[in-house]
Order: sequence, then structure tokens, then C-alpha cells
Amino acid sequence: AQSVTQLGSHVSVSEGALVLLRCNYSSSVPPYLFWYVQYPNQGLQLLLKYTSAATLVKGINGFEAEFKKSETSFHLTKPSAHMSDAAEYFCAVSDSGGTSYGKLTFGQGTILTVHP
Amino acid sequence: DTAVSQTPKYLVTQMGNDKSIKCEQNLGHDTMYWYKQDSKKFLKIMFSYNNKELIINETVPNRFSPKSPDKAHLNLHINSLELGDSAVYFCASNKREVTGELFFGEGSRLTVL
Repeated sequence: AQSVTQLGSHVSVSEGALVLLRCNYSSSVPPYLFWYVQYPNQGLQLLLKYTSAATLVKGINGFEAEFKKSETSFHLTKPSAHMSDAAEYFCAVSDSGGTSYGKLTFGQGTILTVHP
Repeated sequence: DTAVSQTPKYLVTQMGNDKSIKCEQNLGHDTMYWYKQDSKKFLKIMFSYNNKELIINETVPNRFSPKSPDKAHLNLHINSLELGDSAVYFCASNKREVTGELFFGEGSRLTVL
């Protein structure tokens, strides 16, 4: 079974500050890992994904995440927060066996607030 | 053009009623999904269809019945609605071989009174 834990249900930063959203996963097989963003009253949008290639993954809107197998982590970062980054962020895991299709296991979500 | 569209966006109904949510995607994907997001924003997969074939069927009450008339459409019918069915239901789609890269609709918020 797979699981995802996002540390911190709410993160608040100032505009221009570093954004760090934490995600730890558990998987019995090599995982595929994802970050999705959800803006109010919208569906989820893929930010970035790790699929066993480079461990540092770059996504849209200046976000990146690093896969650390030893720490079973996949934290999301952005060097400088923008007001438009305010949203809820979900970490998700899928097994890499190719049979799980879109069966993602999501974390609980982290709401990012950006202050002027 | 909306890539994954769901109707209705909002649905308010009484306990015991039957309701349906429809989903259509124009991305040329072959796999579609229903996910449920509860009041705590927890997202959980319910069903998935690949080329009209049911491939994922999680532990969901049999009051929920998905139907895929073709690979661009996936509907969800719910019988005998209960208070606990109140949630946001998201439709999503992707190409089967691109694991995990889902395109989500805007969601259908169901409120059962």
C-alpha cells in the first residue's frame, strides 16, 4: 500500500520569500511522485512529476521538487513566492509498475497563503 | 475550449433522491476517472475506465454506478443519496501510458440535505 503525508496543513509566507511544502511518501515499489495545485473552485492542475529520471524536477510557475529516496521525501520549493501562488497543494504517489494508471494516492493538502 | 468539463457544477438535493453527474473530455485521452474530495479536501479515487472498460473500482457503495458510453464520456449515477455523499466529485482523464498525469475537471459540488 502507498501513502503520502504532507507536513503542515497551512503554510504562510511573505511575498518574495522561499516556499517549502513538505511531502513524505511510503511505497513498497519504486514510486512515481507528483505535485498538484488547486486554486479555489477549480480542479487540480499538475505542477510537476518525478518518474525515476532526474531527482530534481522542475515544474511550472517556478516550482521544483527533489526526490530523496533515503528520506522518502519529495518536498516542493519555490525561491520567491508570488501572490498568485496562493492555493492548495497536493502531493501524490503512484506506483511505477504501469498497471495503476491514474490511481493516485493523495496527501491531505497544504494551503499556501502569501502575504504582501 | 474546456478540456474536461463536468455538469452540473452544483447540485443540491434531498436524501433518498437519485442524481447523475456527467463528464466529457476533448483531449483525445483513453482513460477517465472519478475522484471524490470530501469536506476535509481529502481526494480518493472511485472509478476508472479505459476505452469504455472499467479498470479501477475502489470500495465504493453500489449505489454509485459509473457508465462510459465512449472514451470521451464518463457519467456517475448515484442512487438513494445519503448525507455522507456530500462532496466535490472530480472527473479526470489521461492517456493510459502517461501514469499519473491527470487532467481534472472543475468539479461538481454535491450537497445532500
